[in-house]
Amino acid sequence: GQSLEQPSEVTAVEGAIVQINCTYQTSGFYGLSWYQQHDGGAPTFLSYNALDGLEETGRFSSFLSRSDSYGYLLLQELQMKDSASYFCAVWNAGNNRKLIWGLGTSLAVNP
Amino acid sequence: EPEVTQTPSHQVTQMGQEVILRCVPISNHLYFYWYRQILGQKVEFLVSFYNNEISEKSEIFDDQFSVERPDGSNFTLKIRSTKLEDSAMYFCASSPGGQADYEQYFGPGTRLTVT
Repeated sequence: GQSLEQPSEVTAVEGAIVQINCTYQTSGFYGLSWYQQHDGGAPTFLSYNALDGLEETGRFSSFLSRSDSYGYLLLQELQMKDSASYFCAVWNAGNNRKLIWGLGTSLAVNP
Repeated sequence: EPEVTQTPSHQVTQMGQEVILRCVPISNHLYFYWYRQILGQKVEFLVSFYNNEISEKSEIFDDQFSVERPDGSNFTLKIRSTKLEDSAMYFCASSPGGQADYEQYFGPGTRLTVT
């Protein structure tokens, strides 16, 4: 089967750092993506890791360890607008192209 | 900036009716997708489409569903004999192909309500 596990909820305060972990078990793997979704909105792409290591994009960073089937999204200098759901998703490219999603982590940023 | 558009934003239909959800992907993108999200739940992959044919489909995407690219710009999802449990947000997405293909661009979604 295919599964992705991530915490259901995380709470933090403005200015803090939060890490959202994701472990996956899938039949195919090209890379790990992270998407942000605000209530009532569409998912928006945040980051993608195909190789082991850390990718940094502004306040957000994403990490992947292929040998551990594990990744995380790191959000720094949290702002109220970061309150949203964050989904990790395994990208299967090639002929069987699809994105398999985790259940999402609801992040609440408090003043 | 180019974006994916979807119409209608909200569709209400009676059980057993057929609905067609419409999407206009970003013009130079090669891959198109449909996803479903039941309220408060995760995003579920339905189908991917490339070169005028289905590339991959999930177990959700049974004979009740079909996709079509009727012209050079539109990408549609048809749901036949709708059921109450088809009520969800349906997102269309597209990706460019090539090395940057991992980034999918989502439309704003169509909220389908089956009564």
